[in-house]
Amino acid sequence: QLVLTQSPSASASLGASVNLSCTLSSGHNNYAIAWHQQRPEKGPRYLMRLNNDGSHRRGDGIPDRFSGSSSGAERYLTISSLQSEDEADYYCQTWGTGIHVFGGGTKLTVL
Amino acid sequence: EVQLVESGGGLVQPGGSLRLSCAASGFTFSTYNMNWVRQAPGKGLECISYINSRSTTIYYADSVKGRFTVSRDNAKNSLYLQMNSLRAEDTAVYYCARVDYAIDYWGQGTLVTVSS
Repeated sequence: QLVLTQSPSASASLGASVNLSCTLSSGHNNYAIAWHQQRPEKGPRYLMRLNNDGSHRRGDGIPDRFSGSSSGAERYLTISSLQSEDEADYYCQTWGTGIHVFGGGTKLTVL
Repeated sequence: EVQLVESGGGLVQPGGSLRLSCAASGFTFSTYNMNWVRQAPGKGLECISYINSRSTTIYYADSVKGRFTVSRDNAKNSLYLQMNSLRAEDTAVYYCARVDYAIDYWGQGTLVTVSS
């Protein structure tokens, strides 16, 4: 079964960098994912598609402070030079045969 | 500019029905697959339906299977979600989303509240 696992919360200081992780279930190491950001009281916004080789393609208007990387079943979102506006929920999403799947989301707090 | 605009949400009693619409513009709607995604209050995102560009492949989440029906009218650049036998647990913001393998654009959402 295709499942994505995310840590519920993360925190980092203003101006620092943070890595958020998303783990694919066993047997799905080669799957691409997407990262989405949801600021408080707003709808989700597509950040990027991240392939299993670490290559990624950002969405329209997404700054290059947002980058992605992959290692085995792990998919990472790195946000550098953290700004207050980056405080949000971050969801990973993937697709295969059947309904698309979301991770449970990570709530990022910018200190 | 890609735009997805949902409508049709509101307050409905348990057991009732509602039809959501999503008007698409700024891209060739007929060539894209589409999702409906919902978010219950304080909860995460849940993909509840998928429809391919020609309506030949449709998937539903188990939570809505048999009660919800997704459809599209490519001539009208519109996506629909017919929701029947609504339950309190269907209360959520409903988003339509464009699919290009990943979801790459989202609508602003429409709130559905199921309550007596």
